[in-house]
Amino acid sequence: DSGVTQTPKHLITATGQRVTLRCSPRSGDLSVYWYQQSLDQGLQFLIQYYNGEERAKGNILERFSAQQFPDLHSELNLSSLELGDSALYFCASSVGQTSREQYFGPGTRLTVT
Amino acid sequence: AQKITQTQPGMFVQEKEAVTLDCTYDTSDQSYGLFWYKQPSSGEMIFLIYQGSYDEQNATEGRYSLNFQKARKSANLVISASQLGDSAMYFCAMREPLSGSARQLTFGSGTQLTVLP
Repeated sequence: DSGVTQTPKHLITATGQRVTLRCSPRSGDLSVYWYQQSLDQGLQFLIQYYNGEERAKGNILERFSAQQFPDLHSELNLSSLELGDSALYFCASSVGQTSREQYFGPGTRLTVT
Repeated sequence: AQKITQTQPGMFVQEKEAVTLDCTYDTSDQSYGLFWYKQPSSGEMIFLIYQGSYDEQNATEGRYSLNFQKARKSANLVISASQLGDSAMYFCAMREPLSGSARQLTFGSGTQLTVLP
């Protein structure tokens, strides 16, 4: 158990809908990273937050957005969902912005039908 | 160009044997980190081992060791005395300095390892 929690574990929704994925980092970790793992694209970095502020952006679509709250939990919002958004979404956390290790949560498996 | 290349989509190894999973990387930075993660069928990502670009010794963590050859830009994972529980997907990843202080990971496509009894 990495100490990073993600909810929900599974999510099934229809095209065009909007969903919110939630992540609680390990106690004391200030950085949160979001990754998407799909069959087409593999594991891709989406976005990083550090202590509430956006720090880096990867291949994140405009339909997707994220935020990190004062209690350091983070949410990833996915809107106007398409079939191709079906993937495993991971959250990872680390202590600082430049910490060596990132600890991954169990992931949220999103299925868009 | 691919930053991380794992050329072995699948590998088989006999239980108790050693196996090497290949990883080559591409970077122009002098300072970077290399990681290996294991992803069992249950889906979670488990950190295995880390090698910094300035580390002179190859990293080791129990049965895992990293064969780091900087000039060849390779960071192969060696698993000794394979166990059935080692059957999983293995990902090589790299962290490079970016502008500012972000430190995202770039992953390879993975190698599916199957340990045979």
